[in-house]
Amino acid sequence: TQLLEQSPQFLSIQEGENLTVYCNSSSVFSSLQWYRQEPGEGPVLLVTVVTGGEVKKLKRLTFQFGDARKDSSLHITAAQPGDTGLYLCAGVYNTDKLIFGTGTRLQVFP
Amino acid sequence: DAGVTQSPTHLIKTRGQHVTLRCSPISGHKSVSWYQQVLGQGPQFIFQYYEKEERGRGNFPDRFSARQFPNYSSELNVNALLLGDSALYLCASSFQGGNQPQHFGDGTRLSIL
Repeated sequence: TQLLEQSPQFLSIQEGENLTVYCNSSSVFSSLQWYRQEPGEGPVLLVTVVTGGEVKKLKRLTFQFGDARKDSSLHITAAQPGDTGLYLCAGVYNTDKLIFGTGTRLQVFP
Repeated sequence: DAGVTQSPTHLIKTRGQHVTLRCSPISGHKSVSWYQQVLGQGPQFIFQYYEKEERGRGNFPDRFSARQFPNYSSELNVNALLLGDSALYLCASSFQGGNQPQHFGDGTRLSIL
């Protein structure tokens, strides 16, 4: 069974702080995706990383794929209340399955 | 253009009943995947269909079945409902499935009493 562990599970911070969310697995994935999900809605894709060691930036969000393609991180600089939500990493395994991580619930207070 | 649409948005059933959930993909998308998301957890993969054929199946019992129609819409069926089937059921579509980005609907909230 392929598992993706995310840490931390919960994160509550003040506006302006920086944070990092980690996504770890013992399996190698062909690619990894990050999603954000808000209450009452489906997950929305933020980024896809494919190459080991790849770094992608999306405004204040920085995503990194581990060299061995088993782990990834999401760093948010100067968090804002609008960043609040459930952050999910998802690894593509065997081209047929998207395996989601356990999720990190982020709350940013003004 | 319309995104992925799911119906119904909410549903209440009792144990032992059967349920059918429906999904319409984004126009042009040929792959549909189904996920179960229990409160407080990440979505769990149930099925992936591409061009009306089952391409992948997650670790769910045979009570769960699905199909994809010629217009690429899809149905998820669950028989003999259990309390533990209470969850948000998400449908996602993509052009070809696999490692392509998934576009999610807002889900069907199923509650079993």
